[in-house]
Amino acid sequence: NAGVTQTPKFRVLKTGQSMTLLCAQDMNHEYMYWYRQDPGMGLRLIHYSVGEGTTAKGEVPDGYNVSRLKKQNFLLGLESAAPSQTSVYFCASGDSLAKNIQYFGAGTRLSVL
Amino acid sequence: LAKTTQPISMDSYEGQEVNITCSHNNIATNDYITWYQQFPSQGPRFIIQGYKTKVTNEVASLFIPADRKSSTLSLPRVSLSDTAVYYCLVGGLNYGGSQGNLIFGKGTKLSVKP
Repeated sequence: NAGVTQTPKFRVLKTGQSMTLLCAQDMNHEYMYWYRQDPGMGLRLIHYSVGEGTTAKGEVPDGYNVSRLKKQNFLLGLESAAPSQTSVYFCASGDSLAKNIQYFGAGTRLSVL
Repeated sequence: LAKTTQPISMDSYEGQEVNITCSHNNIATNDYITWYQQFPSQGPRFIIQGYKTKVTNEVASLFIPADRKSSTLSLPRVSLSDTAVYYCLVGGLNYGGSQGNLIFGKGTKLSVKP
C-alpha cells in the first residue's frame, strides 16, 4: 500500500532552471494538495485540486504551476527556479471535502543555488 | 478564517500524559478539528479528528468543549518516540472549492525526555 509517493526525494537546481515534482496517490482520492515547508515554519499551501482536470491557487502560488491530467497524479512545476524556492515540498491527498483528512507523502527536498 | 493558536513548544517526560491545547475562536459551524503529527524529515501524519465532545482512538484523545472555541489533544503515557511537532487544523476546503481554512500554522514542538 504505497499511499502518496513523491519523486524525486532530493534535487539541487541552479537559479533559472526548471523542474517538475511528481505526486502520485493510489487511494482514488479526489483532492490533492501541494505544500511547502520552510525551517521552523508550518506548511503553506501552494496549489490544490478538487478533481481531475481542476487546479486552484493556495496561499503561496507565485512561481509555481500545477497540473492534474489524471486523477492519481498531481504535478508541481517550477518554470524558473529562484533561491527563495529552496524548501521541502509535500504533496497530500484526501477524499472528503467536509472532514478534510489529508495523507501526506514523504516530501521532496529542493535546493536552488 | 478560523485562525488557530497553539503553544510553540512543550516538554514532558516518558510515561506522563501530555495535553496540547489549540484555540480557534472563529471556528465555523461546519468545521472539523484535525490534529497531525510530524517527525523530522517526514510528512505530517493524521492523528485524530473531531467535531464536538470527546473522541478517542488507539493513539490519542481529543476533547472539544461545547462552544468549540478550543480543543485539547491528549497523549497518554508518552514515550521518546512521541517527540514531534503537532499541528491543529480547523476546517479545510470549502464546498465552493475555495481554499477555506487550510492553514497549518507552526504547530507545537513536543520534546519527551527520559
